[in-house]
Formats: sequence, C-alpha cells, structure tokens
Amino acid sequence: QSVLTQPPSVSGAPGQRVAISCTGTSSNIGAGLDVHWYQHLPGTAPKLLIFAYTNRPSGVSDRFSGSKSGTSASLAITGLQAADEADYYCQSYDSSLDGYVFGTGTKVTVL
Amino acid sequence: EVQLVESGGGLVQPGGSLRLSCAASGFSFRSYWMHWVRQAPGQGLVWVSRINIDGSTTNYADSVKGRFTISRDNAKNTLYLQMNSLRAEDTAVYYCARLNYGSASDYWGQGTLVTVSS
Repeated sequence: QSVLTQPPSVSGAPGQRVAISCTGTSSNIGAGLDVHWYQHLPGTAPKLLIFAYTNRPSGVSDRFSGSKSGTSASLAITGLQAADEADYYCQSYDSSLDGYVFGTGTKVTVL
Repeated sequence: EVQLVESGGGLVQPGGSLRLSCAASGFSFRSYWMHWVRQAPGQGLVWVSRINIDGSTTNYADSVKGRFTISRDNAKNTLYLQMNSLRAEDTAVYYCARLNYGSASDYWGQGTLVTVSS
C-alpha cells in the first residue's frame, strides 16, 4: 500500500498552472528524506521530472518545478499543455519500511 | 544512450515461477544500484526490490519477501528477478530502473507483463 498520499486527479485549461501535493509521514518526507516526481503515460516508461524535491534532470522542461513544506512535497506544472496529460507519482524512501515508497498517483487532465 | 530492456514476462499459473531479465546498455551498469518496480492493472507504481552494485546487498518489499530474488550479472550487464510461488496479485507490468541522485530512478525500461492466472 502507498504511504504517500496524492490527490486522485487535478485538471486545468491550457496555459494554466496546476499543483499536485504529496503528503508523507515522519518516516519518509518528515524525516528529511528526498522526494522525487515522475510522469507516466500508460504503456510507456515512467520519466523522472524532479529529484531531491527541486532539481530537474537535464532535458526536463522548466515548466515543471518542485517544492517541500514540512511533511509534504508539491509538483507544479505551469503553462499547461495537452502533452502534460499523464499520471504523476511522487516517491521517497521510508526508513521504517526500509524500502522505497510511491505516492498514490495523480491523473492530470487538460480541459 | 541509456537503454533498459526487460524480458521474460508471460502467463504463468498460480504457484509457478518466472525469471525476468533486464538488459542494460549505454552506461556503466556495474556502477549503479538497480531496482524493480511493478504496476498492477489499474493501480499505481509499487517498489519491489533493489540491489547494490556488486549484488551483496538486496532489499525487498514485504509482499514479495521470501518468494522473489533479485540478482545481477555485471559481466553481462543484466539484472534479474526470480519470481517463485506466484500469486494472482503478482499480476503486473514489471519495470527495471536505474537508481541515481540518491533514491531516484532516472532511467526505466518499457516494462514486461506478468500474468498469474489458471
């Protein structure tokens, strides 16, 4: 089961900004462990968007940004495009489970 | 170009076994920790197992502990997942991924489908 909670869905019109939250606990995000974000289109390989809360790998658009606040992390997408329609997952490491944990996933819909 | 290509998936009966492979190319495979992640139909991503660079350290999710074994052959640039005592709830697409930036997965394969059914 997921120990990182995300909203099931968010939506926005083209050009708008949307944000996805990721709420953890004291054994993952609250413990200062890194959070990463992935974009996943069905049938394809997941793509790393953000690592260690705020860092973008080379080649990822600067329309994607990450932040942290307490036991939560957030992914923001600005200038929303049709190509951004996908599932988005946060991920961290959980010290009590001694393993990696993913969020419940959020489906982004472009209206 | 970094590439990860999984193979070995298929249909297997409950209680059966399957071995997945992940062929790596385009990077120094022996320098990276690797792991397996799965996605059941209609569900989210779930971590399965990880292995360190020389195979001496492995970790598993509780749901597969004692049934699955992760291993690697650095001479063949290949990651493996031996799956025994398979259950219907193991049905999923299995992805291999490269660990980088601490605990992030920066490259993933396309996945291989495992279906456990009678």
